[in-house]
Amino acid sequence: QVQLVESGGGLVKPGGSLRLSCAASGFTFSDYYMTWIRQAPGKGLEWVSYISNSCRTIDYADSVKGRFTISRDNAKNSLYLQMNSLRAEDTAVFYCARYRLWEEIDFWGQGTLVTVSS
Amino acid sequence: QSVLTQPPSVSGAPGQRVTISCTGSNSNIGAGYDVHWYQQVPGTAPKLLIYANTNRPSGVPDRFSGSKSGTSASLAITGLQTEDEADYYCQSYDNILNRPGVIFGGGTKLTVL
Repeated sequence: QVQLVESGGGLVKPGGSLRLSCAASGFTFSDYYMTWIRQAPGKGLEWVSYISNSCRTIDYADSVKGRFTISRDNAKNSLYLQMNSLRAEDTAVFYCARYRLWEEIDFWGQGTLVTVSS
Repeated sequence: QSVLTQPPSVSGAPGQRVTISCTGSNSNIGAGYDVHWYQQVPGTAPKLLIYANTNRPSGVPDRFSGSKSGTSASLAITGLQTEDEADYYCQSYDNILNRPGVIFGGGTKLTVL
């Protein structure tokens, strides 16, 4: 069955860095675009970044552009998010999810919590 | 502020019908992009509820239905049940900057009275 398992979250000080990982299984990883979506405590869903199945196309929300870097390794069925210069407002549960461009996000991981605090 | 506008909350008694609206613009829903709906029970990940405006994934009860018209979409839930109490989000795409951005509504909290 389809599984997306995020890891790498935790407590980090403002200005610090963190690398999130998402291990995919149960489907052909290289067939799908992958995305990171976050949810601050008590707030709604916010798209963070996406990467195309071939890594040819990448984009970021303005709120993270220049600080976050998305990548994937299709041979390892893994998605990553390198987060630098973290701010308190980056505190959120980060979900990895799969989709096909212009279509629905049909599967989400369980999420990993990132807390940015001194 | 979300690109897609949803009411913050709706409520209904068990057995009743409720609708949740999702209003966009000519650069997203009005441009022809499909609308998708997700259900999120507190403390869990969102789950796909309706895709491509009107379609239900396998396992989603037919009490849930979706529609789309112009720059808006709606989610209807009939025969409300206590387990329907959750947050609901609409999602579409926006190509205003020639970037295929994923956009969400702000979410609607459904309370079953």
